[in-house]
Amino acid sequence: DAGVIQSPRHEVTEMGQEVTLRCKPISGHNSLFWYRQTMMRGLELLIYFNNNVPIDDSGMPEDRFSAKMPNASFSTLKIQPSEPRDSAVYFCASHYFILAGADKSNNEQFFGPGTRLTVL
Amino acid sequence: KQEVTQIPAALSVPEGENLVLNCSFTDSAIYNLQWFRQDPGKGLTSLLLIQSSQREQTSGRLNASLDKSSGRSTLYIAASQPGDSATYLCAVYTVGNSKLTFGKGITLSVRP
Repeated sequence: DAGVIQSPRHEVTEMGQEVTLRCKPISGHNSLFWYRQTMMRGLELLIYFNNNVPIDDSGMPEDRFSAKMPNASFSTLKIQPSEPRDSAVYFCASHYFILAGADKSNNEQFFGPGTRLTVL
Repeated sequence: KQEVTQIPAALSVPEGENLVLNCSFTDSAIYNLQWFRQDPGKGLTSLLLIQSSQREQTSGRLNASLDKSSGRSTLYIAASQPGDSATYLCAVYTVGNSKLTFGKGITLSVRP
């Protein structure tokens, strides 16, 4: 498997523009997570999906942020309009979540390479 | 609310030292604990996953232990090398909460 795939890897945009970040989780994984990382705040969970359904979006900063997962192999995180304070690295991660089982590979979360967003 | 603490925030050691990175968490009702490594400008790489029923996991020079009742985990790195320089984060999956709670990480520098 190619791992979690994110695009673009780098995005530079001007304040007010719409930004769309994309993520393809690992095939077979049923949970997908969007994180944001900055020097000041560290790693923050924005939203996560389980079986394509948003479960917890309490980390989404404000209405300018939205996320979708139309199918098990694709998710987007959209910022509209973007602001300079949105500049950060955005990570997507996925895993196969089950409540029990001895297989040590279950519940292990895998991260994508991230998208470095700069809003000027 | 689960809280994960990693102290100190940064550590510098000479090459060859055996070292221990600590992680503590407030709610012992967890499914598992995961250690990650992050290199500057890169994503997070999973190092070790310890299920709640396990006491330790080993991978090469890395050994992670878990004491769930006391809310502690340690990552032991044997014979440290400059290539081990990175930020190490621990994260826990809390029962009833389908998401990881991360510590802020320990930035390790191994001096040649």
